[in-house]
Amino acid sequence: QVQLVESGGGVVQPGRSLRLSCAASGFIFSNYAIHWVRQAPGKGLEWVAVISYDGSDENYADSVRGRFTISRDNFKNTVFLQMNSLRAEDTAVYYCAKDVTATTPVYFESWGQGTLVTVSS
Amino acid sequence: IVLTQSPDFQSVTPKEKVTITCRASQSIGRSLHWYQQKPDQSPKLIIKYASQPFSGVPSRFSGSGSGTDFTLTINNLEAEDAATYYCHQSSSLSLTFGGGTKVEIK
Repeated sequence: QVQLVESGGGVVQPGRSLRLSCAASGFIFSNYAIHWVRQAPGKGLEWVAVISYDGSDENYADSVRGRFTISRDNFKNTVFLQMNSLRAEDTAVYYCAKDVTATTPVYFESWGQGTLVTVSS
Repeated sequence: IVLTQSPDFQSVTPKEKVTITCRASQSIGRSLHWYQQKPDQSPKLIIKYASQPFSGVPSRFSGSGSGTDFTLTINNLEAEDAATYYCHQSSSLSLTFGGGTKVEIK
């Protein structure tokens, strides 16, 4: 079955960088768009970014555009989220989620278990 | 596109019916999806395209609506349905979620 496993979270100081990974299995990874969605402690869900099946197209939430970069390696079945210039408000559990299409986002069919990022001095 | 859910919280006894609404700030057709998130778990898709149950979802969950007004209904509520429910729209490339509705079992 579909499995998504996030890693790379941790505690980081404001202004520093962190790179998250999402390892996928159980489906033809190179056929689907993948998203990052985050959830601040005790808060709701916020979509962060999406990358198309082949990595040719990306889109970001306004809150992270210019600071975060999503990428993928279809040989390693892995999606990455490079997070630069981190702020306290980026503190959240970060989930990767599989879409049902290759390009235009539709809905989040499967989710990982999440990885916690804490931005604090 | 802003999604406004109501109520924020609902306390319900088993076997009762739960109705959650989601209003979009502009028309989104039927590009509205619902997720269930139980405590300390990842969200799970339960309804896609406003009214289509996702695979394996119990029949007591149903969705309706189009345009700007949508409803998630849980009939004959069970204890395992205690969770926070979120709507999500994919009409705009800037994907958004509603604020969530927490359903507590009395």
